[in-house]
Amino acid sequence: GAGVSQSPSNKVTEKGKDVELRCDPISGHTALYWYRQRLGQGLEFLIYFQGNSAPDKSGLPSDRFSAERTGESVSTLTIQRTQQEDSAVYLCASSSGRVLRLEQFFGPGTRLTVL
Amino acid sequence: AQSVTQLDSQVPVFEEAPVELRCNYSSSVSVYLFWYVQYPNQGLQLLLKYLSGSTLVESINGFEAEFNKSQTSFHLRKPSVHISDTAEYFCAVSDGGSQGNLIFGKGTKLSVKP
Repeated sequence: GAGVSQSPSNKVTEKGKDVELRCDPISGHTALYWYRQRLGQGLEFLIYFQGNSAPDKSGLPSDRFSAERTGESVSTLTIQRTQQEDSAVYLCASSSGRVLRLEQFFGPGTRLTVL
Repeated sequence: AQSVTQLDSQVPVFEEAPVELRCNYSSSVSVYLFWYVQYPNQGLQLLLKYLSGSTLVESINGFEAEFNKSQTSFHLRKPSVHISDTAEYFCAVSDGGSQGNLIFGKGTKLSVKP
């Protein structure tokens, strides 16, 4: 596609349920990032994938959060046993190349509301 | 560790007035600096970036930012704003390391009034 896409755009769930968020990066982009944007806060880095290398999970806030990426394509972010503090907009970004990787292209985000 | 501080959470201005959105960063290494903009109900878009070379960088819609190493600042300016500039602006820094992830400020909401 022309840009990064994310689905769903909105997700409302009950506390304790699991959720899966999907990201389709720009075709050919080797790097993929997940960020979280809480209300009134800046973006928090969650996880980074680069090609077939092991992902950098240093930003994940707890072991309830996990993410997968198949090759250089789709990624899913899974939150298990959701809590109210997980409510946020989850943003995905992708970038390409070793020099160009610094320019990240963002998707529209998934707004997660945990009741 | 790197950090970014955006000193103003909200900036209201009248149309055609000048504006400056402040951004300061802390880092012990060379940095790359970015401004992203988020228009209402849209995703983040890159507005401009400083990687190297000239410390003054410009966007296509009239914004400019100047990298000031001694003051560790990367303030965003526009001499005359339009209603359509109403958006949230995020300053971000990267050390260009193997991760390449960005550290973002908390954002500044620019509200342009007629």
